[in-house]
Amino acid sequence: AQSVTQPDIHITVSEGASLELRCNYSYGATPYLFWYVQSPGQGLQLLLKYFSGDTLVQGIKGFEAEFKRSQSSFNLRKPSVHWSDAAEYFCAVGAGIGGGSQGNLIFGKGTKLSVKP
Amino acid sequence: GAGVSQSPRYKVAKRGQDVALRCDPISGHVSLFWYQQALGQGPEFLTYFQNEAQLDKSGLPSDRFFAERPEGSVSTLKIQRTQQEDSAVYLCASSLGPVYSNQPQHFGDGTRLSIL
Repeated sequence: AQSVTQPDIHITVSEGASLELRCNYSYGATPYLFWYVQSPGQGLQLLLKYFSGDTLVQGIKGFEAEFKRSQSSFNLRKPSVHWSDAAEYFCAVGAGIGGGSQGNLIFGKGTKLSVKP
Repeated sequence: GAGVSQSPRYKVAKRGQDVALRCDPISGHVSLFWYQQALGQGPEFLTYFQNEAQLDKSGLPSDRFFAERPEGSVSTLKIQRTQQEDSAVYLCASSLGPVYSNQPQHFGDGTRLSIL
């Protein structure tokens, strides 16, 4: 069965520092991968997605992620963090059947990002 | 600019009561998903619809949970005889295309359900 692991429960970085959030997935075929961000009391906002093609994916708010099949990873990065980036971040894989379709999403447990001034 | 709208935002109920949670998807969106998010956890899939058809309800935790989307638009998630373990945020998402498509899922802000 598909699964997603986010090893870091909570990360604190200084404003202006770089950020990398880790995500590992378990999936037998080519996965559909996503990163979402959730601010307190809010729903999930899609940051970026990977379906196929270029393994380095650009998203909104200056985020990017790299798909590495050999490592079963899809880590999220940002070169310079802003205080407004403080939120919870979720990695997800599409649970689609055959042909690598999306279907419903399977989420990791999330990584809470705190930003120090 | 209409996104996915969920109501109520907060619901408090006593154990044993029935509750109904509403989701208004983005107009024209074909697919609709329900997720349950327990405190400190990621969302977990409950069920999804393509138009009015409920294609998968494998994530519903018990037969006390029931979802419908009778006209292929608004959806209601109903929980009967609520238990304390039902306390969670219930998220609804909609997508423009069929369930198995590359269209992204757009999430509402959720309904926070507390069972006393």
